[in-house]
Amino acid sequence: LAKTTQPISMDSYEGQEVNITCSHNNIATNDYITWYQQFPSQGPRFIIQGYKTKVTNEVASLFIPADRKSSTLSLPRVSLSDTAVYYCLPLNGSARQLTFGSGTQLTVLP
Amino acid sequence: KAGVTQTPRYLIKTRGQQVTLSCSPISGHRSVSWYQQTPGQGLQFLFEYFSETQRNKGNFPGRFSGRQFSNSRSEMNVSTLELGDSALYLCASSLTAGGLNTGELFFGEGSRLTVL
Repeated sequence: LAKTTQPISMDSYEGQEVNITCSHNNIATNDYITWYQQFPSQGPRFIIQGYKTKVTNEVASLFIPADRKSSTLSLPRVSLSDTAVYYCLPLNGSARQLTFGSGTQLTVLP
Repeated sequence: KAGVTQTPRYLIKTRGQQVTLSCSPISGHRSVSWYQQTPGQGLQFLFEYFSETQRNKGNFPGRFSGRQFSNSRSEMNVSTLELGDSALYLCASSLTAGGLNTGELFFGEGSRLTVL
């Protein structure tokens, strides 16, 4: 099972770019890397998914180096509403245990 | 398209009782997984169901069980409740192709269980 390590918390100011890095040293060849956002008392919400290099959607970018042992979620110009816990989760199609790490509490300050 | 629906949203039980939580996945999603979330332990995987079969189980005691029905709806049951079972219980559904999960997990809002 791929074990993930993320910083426990990060602070940022509104309008800044935030980069959250996740380490996943024993990621499997067929694992995709997914990121989720969770607000208090709600279920996690999918943000972005990638396999390697760079993926961008309307809310975030995901950078994955060639060795795929880490990934970085980039949130451009954060706002107060981006304050949440962010999880990275290696995911593949086969039946497997889904191991969420401890997540990163991002706090955006005015 | 309706999202993942979990019922009840909140419930209070006492030690020794049992509880059943329900999850209705997004239409067309056949994989349902369950998670327990507590402040101290984070999000922990309970089990995953596909086509009425449990495919994977996390490291929880036998008091935690589940099942999936032919319409993909799932239930989980916790018997002989303990104080430490107080948590947010989340279920997630995902699309499958040939039995393989094809992408993102869609989570429900969760069922908040308090054990007194």
